[in-house]
Formats: sequence, C-alpha cells, structure tokens
Amino acid sequence: EPEVTQTPSHQVTQMGQEVILRCVPISNHLYFYWYRQILGQKVEFLVSFYNNEISEKSEIFDDQFSVERPDGSNFTLKIRSTKLEDSAMYFCASKAGSGNIQYFGAGTRLSVL
Amino acid sequence: AQSVTQLDSHVSVSEGTPVLLRCNYSSSYSPSLFWYVQHPNKGLQLLLKYTSAATLVKGINGFEAEFKKSETSFHLTKPSAHMSDAAEYFCVVSDPNRHSSASKIIFGSGTRLSIRP
Repeated sequence: EPEVTQTPSHQVTQMGQEVILRCVPISNHLYFYWYRQILGQKVEFLVSFYNNEISEKSEIFDDQFSVERPDGSNFTLKIRSTKLEDSAMYFCASKAGSGNIQYFGAGTRLSVL
Repeated sequence: AQSVTQLDSHVSVSEGTPVLLRCNYSSSYSPSLFWYVQHPNKGLQLLLKYTSAATLVKGINGFEAEFKKSETSFHLTKPSAHMSDAAEYFCVVSDPNRHSSASKIIFGSGTRLSIRP
C-alpha cells in the first residue's frame, strides 16, 4: 500500500542551526501538508501546499519556516534558525485531490538543544 | 471556526470489553469528521470518516462511530477491545478553505486508550 515517507525519524540539532525535514508524499497526490505536535499537546496545522505554492499557513508558520517541492517527489520543511520551542514531532501529509482524506507519514522527531 | 473536543485524555478498559472514546465538535458548516489512530512510533492512520452520507460509519479493526448532529458528537466505539487497540486516538474535523480545496484538518487533543489483560 502506498505510504507517505518521512526522513529522518529523529533529528537532533543545536539552537540557531538550520534543519530540513524531508517527506516523500504518495506519488499521485496533489496536496501536501505539514503539521507538528509538541510533546503533550495537540497536533497543529502548519502549512498546506498545492500547485507549487502555499495555499494556507498558520500563525506558527512564520518567516523562519519555508516549504519546497524541489523535484516533483520530495516535499521539504525548512526551519532557518531553530529555537528550543521548535522541538516537536513534525508530520507530513498528502491527499490525492479535493476529497479530504489526508494520509500521514510516521513523523520526524526534532530535538533542539 | 471548526473545533473538536475529546472529553477523555485517557481511557482504560479490560480486554474483551466495549470501548467508548468521546468526541464533540463545533462547526459552522456540514462537517467532515474523522478518527485517526497513532500507535507508538508510527504515523497517523485513518480509522474512519464521516462525510454526510450514513450517520453510522464503520472503520477498520472493528471500530465504528456515529454522527449525531443534535448532540454535535462523533463518538468512537468498538464492541470488544483487543490488546492491539492500545494507542492514541484523535478525533479530527475538516476545516474547508473557501479559497482553496487544500482544506486543513483540526485535531482534538487525543485520547490514550489502554487495554488491561
């Protein structure tokens, strides 16, 4: 069964460093999303992406964040200068069309020290 | 705006007994509602969805949920719990974007289900 793949499963970084979280969505999907879950808190929407541009972003998704689909298969989330409070589980999701079932990856746990 | 409330942060049942995980929603539109499950170190897996068809929705692994508009509820049930059901369960509502079909989904805070032998 096709699945969304995220790498790495765990990323440790120093505060102020840049990180790139990678996702390979399901191959025929058109809509892409990033969510995050701070330990003990809700899963929160970060950004949605369609037709090579951001469709919607939350207040969390400030200038430190960016997304890219560089090569037609990967979908990346970049955090320019990480802060301690960026430590969280980051989930990538994709969906095929305007129907609204999103399929999730296993997540990347980001630890900022 | 859409929102969803999961009333129990933790539910513990004995194996073989019924499971009830409660969810209430708030929505300005006819909502689409989902239940996702997260096993340890795994991704979020769709259990079932409601999208304005039948109000009783059957999902995978014997789970089902009933949409009750009058109570704004979408509780998840299973007649007989199995040890493998131990996981975190999220009630989710779709938040349509009027300007785009890239609608985001809004998660409840989650309910951790524990199964006693």
